[in-house]
Amino acid sequence: DAKTTQPTSMDCAEGRAANLPCNHSTISGNEYVYWYRQIHSQGPQYIIHGLKNNETNEMASLIITEDRKSSTLILPHATLRDTAVYYCIVRVPHAGGTSYGKLTFGQGTILTVHP
Amino acid sequence: EPEVTQTPSHQVTQMGQEVILRCVPISNHLYFYWYRQILGQKVEFLVSFYNNEISEKSEIFDDQFSVERPDGSNFTLKIRSTKLEDSAMYFCASRSFRQTDNQPQHFGDGTRLSIL
Repeated sequence: DAKTTQPTSMDCAEGRAANLPCNHSTISGNEYVYWYRQIHSQGPQYIIHGLKNNETNEMASLIITEDRKSSTLILPHATLRDTAVYYCIVRVPHAGGTSYGKLTFGQGTILTVHP
Repeated sequence: EPEVTQTPSHQVTQMGQEVILRCVPISNHLYFYWYRQILGQKVEFLVSFYNNEISEKSEIFDDQFSVERPDGSNFTLKIRSTKLEDSAMYFCASRSFRQTDNQPQHFGDGTRLSIL
């Protein structure tokens, strides 16, 4: 699976949009981009994933550049409860590889939302 | 919304003892995983399980570890003879299957294992 690079930490004011970048310049054509977050040692929580089109759900939006070498997770109106470590993970589908879907977590981005 | 549930939330065990961590995956999911996170470190993959057998395991998952799906609902991780360095949070995850196989894994809230 391709390696990802994320900033170590970011701050955001409550109510503002939080834009978390991720670089995955070695991503291959069949690899998906997944975002998870982990709040204070709870289990990682799935947020969103995509292949090449932008995606939106009730939690966030995912913007993937046209060359797919980077992406941005957008939390449109950050709240204090969004303070967490955010992980960007690239994974090849099982059908296209031998990983059987394991996720490789990096250090992630510590997002702190301030009042 | 369906959840992955793990029990117990905290397990304290003497070094050398056996421990079993339990997980109830989401009911229609077919792939099951265990991860661990030592305090202050990254979440690490341990093992994946599909069709009643291990499909992949990491170097961490040595002979002291085993997994089992004893019935249609539970998925367990056993550590045969615990060591101090096994102290960590252990997370179970599950995933459904679709032809495109891009379904995300969903995690439980973990079991904190403390070895004394």
